[in-house]
Amino acid sequence: DGGITQSPKYLFRKEGQNVTLSCEQNLNHDAMYWYRQDPGQGLRLIYYSQIVNDFQKGDIAEGYSVSREKKESFPLTVTSAQKNPTAFYLCASIGNTEAFFGQGTRLTVV
Amino acid sequence: GQSLEQPSEVTAVEGAIVQINCTYQTSGFYGLSWYQQHDGGAPTFLSYNALDGLEETGRFSSFLSRSDSYGYLLLQELQMKDSASYFCAVTGGGNKLTFGTGTQLKVEL
Repeated sequence: DGGITQSPKYLFRKEGQNVTLSCEQNLNHDAMYWYRQDPGQGLRLIYYSQIVNDFQKGDIAEGYSVSREKKESFPLTVTSAQKNPTAFYLCASIGNTEAFFGQGTRLTVV
Repeated sequence: GQSLEQPSEVTAVEGAIVQINCTYQTSGFYGLSWYQQHDGGAPTFLSYNALDGLEETGRFSSFLSRSDSYGYLLLQELQMKDSASYFCAVTGGGNKLTFGTGTQLKVEL
């Protein structure tokens, strides 16, 4: 089945640790996006990529990093510089006009 | 930059019609889209408007006025399962996809 796969579903991080969230798609889409969602809030854009080996900062990129070495993969690293990382993270890819989302990763700092 | 405004909450009764408005500011504009998100789930695509006018898809319709930087989502024959959050999103310059803060729709009996 075609779609977006995010892993893990739940992730716990100790303060000061970097963690990487995985996002894989088999839809052959060029564009991929990472969003952060806090409880009761909208989706805020962290990073996006239109093509392999290229990506742009979104509205809240500080404390995050990404790579786009393959068309299918767009991993997000939450670094220790992100002071409030506890949130729901959503990855998406866009074909024509429709964004397809993964099921998200819930990151909690313990 | 890009910013979108929509009401935070709307309540309606089953069977009714509800309209969720969205106003936006953007540098570059390709289209306005709408997404539905149930609690704990991922957003799912509802509609996309690139040109002015009304797009109808079953019980849902979406409208766009580019000159007013305004759009709305119209939900007809409301059902309990329509209780969810609804987000408008703008595709702007560089294919940047920016979401609004969301409207929580509560459908009551």
